[in-house]
Amino acid sequence: QVQLVQSGAEVKKPGASVKVSCMASGYTLTGYYIHWVRQAPGQGLEWMGWSNPNSGATNYAQKFQGRVTMTRGASMTTAYMELSSLRSDDTAIYYCARDASPYYYGSDALNGMDVWGQGTTVTVSS
Amino acid sequence: DIQMTQSPSSLSASVGDRVTITCRASQDITNDLAWYQQKPGKAPERLIHAASRLHSGVPSRFSGSGSGTEFTLTISSLQPEDFATYYCLQHNSFPLTFGPGTKVDIK
Repeated sequence: QVQLVQSGAEVKKPGASVKVSCMASGYTLTGYYIHWVRQAPGQGLEWMGWSNPNSGATNYAQKFQGRVTMTRGASMTTAYMELSSLRSDDTAIYYCARDASPYYYGSDALNGMDVWGQGTTVTVSS
Repeated sequence: DIQMTQSPSSLSASVGDRVTITCRASQDITNDLAWYQQKPGKAPERLIHAASRLHSGVPSRFSGSGSGTEFTLTISSLQPEDFATYYCLQHNSFPLTFGPGTKVDIK
């Protein structure tokens, strides 16, 4: 079945970077945009941006511009999200999620998300 | 950015109750709204898309309605497995924004 499987929990020091992976199974990664969403402890959901695994295009929320990089691996089955200059308030669960509509040339990523990864806990602490 | 609000922020209900959650957008988003259910320690799961279309496999006791700026999620007869937090998401324009969530717990 369609699944997104994320990498394991990470503990990082302030100022470091973290790279979270998101492996697609049951469908072709390049066929859909991938969104990244995070959730701080006890808080709501926050959209971070999307990547197009087909073209490499990205669109980041302004809050994360300059600190986040969303990419696709050479295997074309895995998407990545790297967040740099980590602070304590970056402590959160990070989710990847598939855009709800298949990608085609000229399409956008304004379709919501239908399949989510299980989440990756990132803890930033000195 | 489009701001999303939800009401109530939490509610207590009993099994069998009818529950309604409201989501409001700060500007017209036509029907570009989805509802998600999240249980503790789990990822969100889509319930409703295009404001009123039931996601595959979701029980028919869930329904959504609305367009423009006001939307509702209704659970016609609350079941034990429905105790969770519910979020709305607007995907009309970037940045995508979620409502703050409505926690449904047991009375």
